Amino acid sequence: SQKIEQNSEALNIQEGKTATLTCNYTNYSPAYLQWYRQDPGRGPVFLLLIRENEKEKRKERLKVTFDTTLKQSLFHITASQPADSATYLCALQGGSSNTGKLIFGQGTTLQVKP
Amino acid sequence: DAGVTQSPTHLIKTRGQQVTLRCSPKSGHDTVSWYQQALGQGPQFIFQYYEEEERQRGNFPDRFSGHQFPNYSSELNVNALLLGDSALYLCASQSGQRSRYGYTFGSGTRLTVV
Repeated sequence: SQKIEQNSEALNIQEGKTATLTCNYTNYSPAYLQWYRQDPGRGPVFLLLIRENEKEKRKERLKVTFDTTLKQSLFHITASQPADSATYLCALQGGSSNTGKLIFGQGTTLQVKP
Repeated sequence: DAGVTQSPTHLIKTRGQQVTLRCSPKSGHDTVSWYQQALGQGPQFIFQYYEEEERQRGNFPDRFSGHQFPNYSSELNVNALLLGDSALYLCASQSGQRSRYGYTFGSGTRLTVV
C-alpha cells in the first residue's frame, strides 16, 4: 500500500541555521509533491508544489528537491527564524487517474530557538 | 478576500448522533475536498466534490456523506457517530479538479464525540 514517511522526531535547530525536512514514499508515482505548513489548531497552508519532472524549486528562503528515483523530497528553510516553528506536512498528488486526492505524511514539527 | 470558511469551529456530539459540517470555498474556487485529521497525524482524504458530484472518495465508510451546492459550498455529514470520529475536519478548495497551485484549507471543525 502507499506509504509516506516524514521525520518522526521533532527537529530542533538554532535561529539562523538551515532546517532540512525529509519526505520518503513507497508504492506511489506522484505527479506532484506539495509542502504545507500547519500551526496548532489551524488548517494547513500551502507553501510549494514541485512536479515529477522538476528537480528543485525555490521560493524566498524555501527550497524543495524531488528525487523520483529515490522516492524522496527534501524541504529546506534557510536562515531559519523562530516564526518558522510549526508542523510541516508533505503531500503527494497522483497522476492522470487521480483527480486531486492528496496523500499526506504525518508531519514533522520544527522548533527554531532564538 | 475571504479564504475557506468552515462552521462550526467546535462541536461536541454523543455517540450514535449525526453531525453536519459546513464549508464555503475560497472565492473563485469550484472544487471542495474534505479531510479528517486525528491528533498528531496528517490529514486523511474523505472525498472531493466538483460540479455538485462526488468525484473521488477515500477509504471512509458510507456513514460519511457529503453534498455540494450550486454556489460551490459543501456539507459533510457523519451518521451514527463513533468515538473514533473525534478529529479535526478540514475543508480544502481549489479551482478545477486537479490543482497545480496547491489547495486552500480552512481552519477546520474540531469534532469531539463523547
